[in-house]
Amino acid sequence: QVQLQQWGAGLLKPSETLSLTCTVYGGSFTGYFWSWIRQPPGKGLEWIGDINHRGSTDYNPSLKSRATTSLDTSKNQFSLRLNSVTAADTAVYYCARTTTFGVVVYMDVWGRGTTVTISS
Amino acid sequence: SSELTQDPAVSVALGQTVRITCQGDSLRRYYASWYQQKPGQAPVLVIYDKNSRPSGIPDRFSGSGSGNTASLTITGTQAEDEADYYCYSRDSSGNHRLFGGGTKLTVL
Repeated sequence: QVQLQQWGAGLLKPSETLSLTCTVYGGSFTGYFWSWIRQPPGKGLEWIGDINHRGSTDYNPSLKSRATTSLDTSKNQFSLRLNSVTAADTAVYYCARTTTFGVVVYMDVWGRGTTVTISS
Repeated sequence: SSELTQDPAVSVALGQTVRITCQGDSLRRYYASWYQQKPGQAPVLVIYDKNSRPSGIPDRFSGSGSGNTASLTITGTQAEDEADYYCYSRDSSGNHRLFGGGTKLTVL
């Protein structure tokens, strides 16, 4: 059974760069997209972006090019970097596995989430 | 429109049937998937594709769609179904993905 374990710095100052990594246990990168989602306190889920096994990426336009995802297949890891953070980036960040084909898209495996707080 | 719209809150009596809806232009082309999230926990996939359930999801959960609306139906709602529910799909361009705003389900 595939499991995702995520980690990263939990407290950042404004203007710093958020960096999170997710390790995939028990599965292959091939055939999936590997996604990042966040949830500000008391609010809903927001898709940040994802990367597939070929390194093709897609991002939420609202993040205005601040987000970058990358893949390290040798370590079974994928990562998120979000630069120039502000208090509005305070959220629980999740990694997830996405399956998409034709008219179908869904996330069937999720990490447990990492709380990231932006504060001076 | 590139939005997916959900009612913020819905309530249902224990044992009754409830339908949670998600509206958006992109749903005329793409299926929605549905996620259950309980406080302090990661979301859990409950419905995907036209109406498929992952292993371990009770068969009281079902999905459907018509026009620009996708629906999640819970038949014989249990107390443990009280949670936030989110739909997820592609936007109208098909290039990006997005979540609905979420529906808080209260079981009375």
